[in-house]
Amino acid sequence: GEEVAQTPKHLVRGEGQKAKLYCAPIKGHSYVFWYQQVLKNEFKFLISFQNENVFDETGMPKERFSAKCLPNSPCSLEIQATKLEDSAVYFCASSQRSGTGVDQPQHFGDGTRLSIL
Amino acid sequence: AQSVAQPEDQVNVAEGNPLTVKCTYSVSGNPYLFWYVQYPNRGLQFLLKYITGDNLVKGSYGFEAEFNKSQTSFHLKKPSALVSDSALYFCAVSNTGKLIFGQGTTLQVKP
Repeated sequence: GEEVAQTPKHLVRGEGQKAKLYCAPIKGHSYVFWYQQVLKNEFKFLISFQNENVFDETGMPKERFSAKCLPNSPCSLEIQATKLEDSAVYFCASSQRSGTGVDQPQHFGDGTRLSIL
Repeated sequence: AQSVAQPEDQVNVAEGNPLTVKCTYSVSGNPYLFWYVQYPNRGLQFLLKYITGDNLVKGSYGFEAEFNKSQTSFHLKKPSALVSDSALYFCAVSNTGKLIFGQGTTLQVKP
């Protein structure tokens, strides 16, 4: 498609439950990125993929967060044993392949609002 | 470490007046700089980028940005603001592909 599609729009989980978020990147885009937006203004990078391979995972809390981008499937971000502090809006973005990989604009989905009660 | 600063939490301008949203950066090596806009309950929309070349970059919706290497700044500008430009604006630098964002500036354009 021509837009990054994220599902669900809202997700409510009790503390300790699992949460799984999905992202369909724009067709033909090779890179997928996940960001966490907390307190409206603060964006934190989590992880990026080049096709199905992890490209950069320096922002991922390793203990409870995991992500995948498998061929012919939406990408996913999974949080095990959620905590109150995981409440945030999670954005997925995709971009085209380029020579350096750093200069193409990222196209963002509308996000998944995760609320941990 | 790479970082971006947006010194103003909010900028208020009257419709029809020029607007500037400020951004300064700190990078090692060549900077790859971006501006994005966020409307309520939406994702970020790309406005423009600086990779190399002319210091004045033109982007979407009449926005432009001026890259100043000596001042390490990348301010967003528009000659004549519209009420519909009211939104949250983010400056970002690209580091190995991931974006490092400033804290955002709310632009309020009043009729």
